[in-house]
Amino acid sequence: AQRVTQPEKLLSVFKGAPVELKCNYSYSGSPELFWYVQYSRQRLQLLLRHISRESIKGFTADLNKGETSFHLKKPFAQEEDSAMYYCALTNAGGTSYGKLTFGQGTILTVHP
Amino acid sequence: KAGVTQTPRYLIKTRGQQVTLSCSPISGHRSVSWYQQTPGQGLQFLFEYFSETQRNKGNFPGRFSGRQFSNSRSEMNVSTLELGDSALYLCASSLRQAKGTGELFFGEGSRLTVL
Repeated sequence: AQRVTQPEKLLSVFKGAPVELKCNYSYSGSPELFWYVQYSRQRLQLLLRHISRESIKGFTADLNKGETSFHLKKPFAQEEDSAMYYCALTNAGGTSYGKLTFGQGTILTVHP
Repeated sequence: KAGVTQTPRYLIKTRGQQVTLSCSPISGHRSVSWYQQTPGQGLQFLFEYFSETQRNKGNFPGRFSGRQFSNSRSEMNVSTLELGDSALYLCASSLRQAKGTGELFFGEGSRLTVL
């Protein structure tokens, strides 16, 4: 069975402060991890994926297989980062076909 | 490029009725996935279609079904509606054809309320 846990339902920070959204996963196979984001009144969209190893909008995430974590980090939060963030998992290279297992999401609020 | 389009956006049904939701993927995308989103269970995978074939299915009862047409448009159907079926149903399309899951592009969803 695969599971994604986002321990914080709500996270509040001030503008300019560092932010870390936690994601832990449980999966016996080879995982592929994603962060999806939903801004107010917008549709759910991909923020980044671990295989890309990119920094998107200043966010980075490193897959730690030893700790089974994929935390999302940004050194200086901006007000426009306020959104719902979902961590998601799928089987890398297997027959996952469209299936992502999502965490429950974390609502990030960045105060001015 | 137009995004994923879902219709209807909102609908209200009563218990025992059935409902059909429609999804038009991004042009060129042949994979369509469906998800149910509820406050209690979050986002849960329903099924995925590619070239009119269901390739993957989540843990939902047989009342939930879907299909895909030759133009990649997809429909999902829920029969004998129950109160617990009230949810936001999201459709997502993907370009990826091979194994695994590429980036999913989501629609705005169809919000179903069952009374």
